[in-house]
Amino acid sequence: QVQLQESGPGLVKPSETLSLTCSVSGGTINSHYWSWIRQPPGKGLEWIGYIYYSGNTNYNPSLESRVNISVATSKRHLSLRLSSVTAEDTAVYYCARLGAGGMDVWGQGTAVTVSS
Amino acid sequence: DIVMTQSPLSLPVTPGEPASISCRSSQSLLHLNGYKYLDWYLQKPGQSPRLLIYLGFSRASGVPDRFSGSGSGTDFTLKISRVEAEDVGIYYCMQSLQTPYTFGQGTRLEIK
Repeated sequence: QVQLQESGPGLVKPSETLSLTCSVSGGTINSHYWSWIRQPPGKGLEWIGYIYYSGNTNYNPSLESRVNISVATSKRHLSLRLSSVTAEDTAVYYCARLGAGGMDVWGQGTAVTVSS
Repeated sequence: DIVMTQSPLSLPVTPGEPASISCRSSQSLLHLNGYKYLDWYLQKPGQSPRLLIYLGFSRASGVPDRFSGSGSGTDFTLKISRVEAEDVGIYYCMQSLQTPYTFGQGTRLEIK
């Protein structure tokens, strides 16, 4: 059974780059799309983007100039980088697998606060 | 972007009673392949979202059959035939027809 685990620094300073990792266990990264989603405190869900195992990406235009998603198949993990962060980037960040229909496996999420 | 609008935003329900949540999209979610790219997720308090329904009406693995999804190209409904206490949380619809994928605002289901 596939499990996802996000990790990264819980605190990032304004204007710096947020870097998160999503570790995949119990299954393969191959032949799947993988998404990042975030949720600001007390608010709804926002799709950040996805990556195919081959490396093809698709980003939310609202974040495209600042975001980069990569995959390290051999290392069984995905990465999210978001540059020039502000307080508006404070959120819980989730990674999720895109199954045959819907995002069928989610990580537990990692909270990131942007503050000096 | 496709705008997703849910109603109601708050839904108090008596255990054992049915519940219904509506989700409307600003454009049709019907793909040329005949599938409707609309999913439903439930986020229980303190947890990650969980997939309930995908492609408009298919139940995800392990989802009780009291949950059902239906809808046309732009109007979708999630129904719970008999609400149980464990169903509390926020329900989100999401379209995956085109990027950026977009979510509804969420509907908070609470037990009366």
